[in-house]
Amino acid sequence: DAKTTQPPSMDCAEGRAANLPCNHSTISGNEYVYWYRQIHSQGPQYIIHGLKNNETNEMASLIITEDRKSSTLILPHATLRDTAVYYCIVRPSIYNQGGKLIFGQGTELSVKP
Amino acid sequence: EAQVTQNPRYLITVTGKKLTVTCSQNMNHEYMSWYRQDPGLGLRQIYYSMNVEVTDKGDVPEGYKVSRKEKRNFPLILESPSPNQTSLYFCASSSVGRLYNEQFFGPGTRLTVL
Repeated sequence: DAKTTQPPSMDCAEGRAANLPCNHSTISGNEYVYWYRQIHSQGPQYIIHGLKNNETNEMASLIITEDRKSSTLILPHATLRDTAVYYCIVRPSIYNQGGKLIFGQGTELSVKP
Repeated sequence: EAQVTQNPRYLITVTGKKLTVTCSQNMNHEYMSWYRQDPGLGLRQIYYSMNVEVTDKGDVPEGYKVSRKEKRNFPLILESPSPNQTSLYFCASSSVGRLYNEQFFGPGTRLTVL
């Protein structure tokens, strides 16, 4: 699986957009980009995923660069409840390597009032 | 409500006393998996199961056993727990019907082995 690089921490003002970057320069053609978050030792929560097109759901938007070497997760209006560790994960379909998700160190996002 | 449940949520035990952590999902998922989370090491996969009666080792299977007799349940068994198995454990499940799937995680079980 491709390695990902994320900043260890970020701050965001409540109500503003939070933009979390991820570098995955060694991504291969069949690998998807997934984002999960973990709120204070709770079970990780799926946010969004994509292959090469930008994606949006009720939680967030995912912007993947044209060369697929990096991506940005956007929380459009961050709230205090969005304070969490955000993980960017790159992997192929579940059939590879036992379906495991490789969680790196992630970005600790602090949303402040 | 679609969910993954784990029991117990907290457990303190002593070295060598066999224990089982249960995991159950109500989403009819074929795939289930166990992870442990330790500070500085992230989440590491212990075992996984692609379907009933099909299980396989993850990255850190030593000291653990699993079984998958029913689709909804995937218990994690520690036959002889040791202090190095003190950790936060998560169960996860997913469908395998599509190429790209989200995994649903349980709330976690915090285990302390004295």
